Amino acid sequence: EIVLTQSPGTLSLSPGERATLSCRASQSVSSSFLAWYQQKPGQAPRLLIYGASSRATGIPDRFSGSGSGTDFTLTISRLEPEDFAVYYCQQYGSSPQVTFGPGTKVDIK
Amino acid sequence: QVQLVQSGAEVKKPGASVKVSCKASGYTFTGYYIYWVRQAPGQGLEWMGWINPNSGGTNYAQKFQGWVTMTRDTSISTAYMELSRLRSDDTAVYYCARSYSGNYGMDVWGQGTTVTVSS
Repeated sequence: EIVLTQSPGTLSLSPGERATLSCRASQSVSSSFLAWYQQKPGQAPRLLIYGASSRATGIPDRFSGSGSGTDFTLTISRLEPEDFAVYYCQQYGSSPQVTFGPGTKVDIK
Repeated sequence: QVQLVQSGAEVKKPGASVKVSCKASGYTFTGYYIYWVRQAPGQGLEWMGWINPNSGGTNYAQKFQGWVTMTRDTSISTAYMELSRLRSDDTAVYYCARSYSGNYGMDVWGQGTTVTVSS
């Protein structure tokens, strides 16, 4: 099973700042099968990025994804108040099995 | 609009089973996989498995094999997840979500169903 590690665990930033979230896999992940989700308290997760770098429908262009192999990044170029949330990466691998990272919480500094 | 609507909250005793439904609307039910993901209180997301509504084929996470059953009824565009032999640590919010295929992510999610296991 591929294990995903996310860092940092918590990111404290101010609105307007840039957020860089990391997702590292225990073995190589096809870029096609790496996604990012945003979750706010009491809500279901929301798909932000699929295929490592493609924005889902309706996602603002301040969200971008990059990376390959074992290292992937989600970048929020300028934090808006509604962006403070928990972010999860997810991979779809062989078997096929799906795993999620433990999440990064982005909170207001 | 495209949506997944799940059944209401459940309270179960240890050892019982629970069956959660997920009704799809606004799209062709058989054209997308239905994934099930759970989230224990204050914890992260845990994938349980998926069902292909077209074929009925399933794939369960190793942890849940022999313990979870996913089915569907295409006549009413509804998927089901049944978890047996419940324990207190199965207390969680259970989500269904659709995915066109593994490389497109889970783009529409249900609202979640809270399952509480308590004696």
